[in-house]
Amino acid sequence: QSVLTQPPSVSGAPGQRLTISCTGSSSNIGAGYDVHWYQQLPGTAPKLLIYNTTNRPSGVPDRFSGSKSGTSASLAITGLQAEDEADYYCQSYDSSLSVRVFGGGTKLTVL
Amino acid sequence: EVQLLESGGGLVQPGGSLRLSCAASGFTFSNYAMTWVRQAPGKGLEWVSAISGGGFSTYYADSVKGRFTISRDDSKNTLYLQMHSLRAEDTAVYYCAKFPSILWSGHKYGMDVWGQGTTVTVSS
Repeated sequence: QSVLTQPPSVSGAPGQRLTISCTGSSSNIGAGYDVHWYQQLPGTAPKLLIYNTTNRPSGVPDRFSGSKSGTSASLAITGLQAEDEADYYCQSYDSSLSVRVFGGGTKLTVL
Repeated sequence: EVQLLESGGGLVQPGGSLRLSCAASGFTFSNYAMTWVRQAPGKGLEWVSAISGGGFSTYYADSVKGRFTISRDDSKNTLYLQMHSLRAEDTAVYYCAKFPSILWSGHKYGMDVWGQGTTVTVSS
């Protein structure tokens, strides 16, 4: 069981907007630590998608956005495309464990 | 182009040892912290170890502390992970990743460049 909890799966139709949640606690997200998101396409290495909660690295489409409230963070994807089908992981820092931690991952299926 | 290329994975018996390497190119290697992240078959990502730029500080997950040693050779632009006393639960794809700061400590920034991974299988 991961310190950061993500739904195992989400799905949506092309063009839709969907969000992936990442729920933590007062020792990680709730403590004000930044959240980062990674996209892992099938059979490939993870790729940084969002850093410092809301920032996109160069080359990441603005269809992807991040936010945080309380002990949870969210990744929003608008204009869903077939190429977005992948696993998505959140990551933050946990002060109780004193390490960077990952969420369990969410498999996004485009219907 | 920034690139990371892992090598050294393979099949090893329980209790055995293995050393992974990660060759970096396209950036000033010594200026950045580096890290190892693993992914067991069909599972999620697990942070394993990290080292600051210059190698002054090292960090380990509890699951590998005392068995794994991270190091770097900045003259060769190469990151290493020496693994001893390997267990079946260490079976995973091991990724090296670049961190966009010389320091690993803190909470900001994500791992911005990843290698393609090398597979470690611990089995008799």
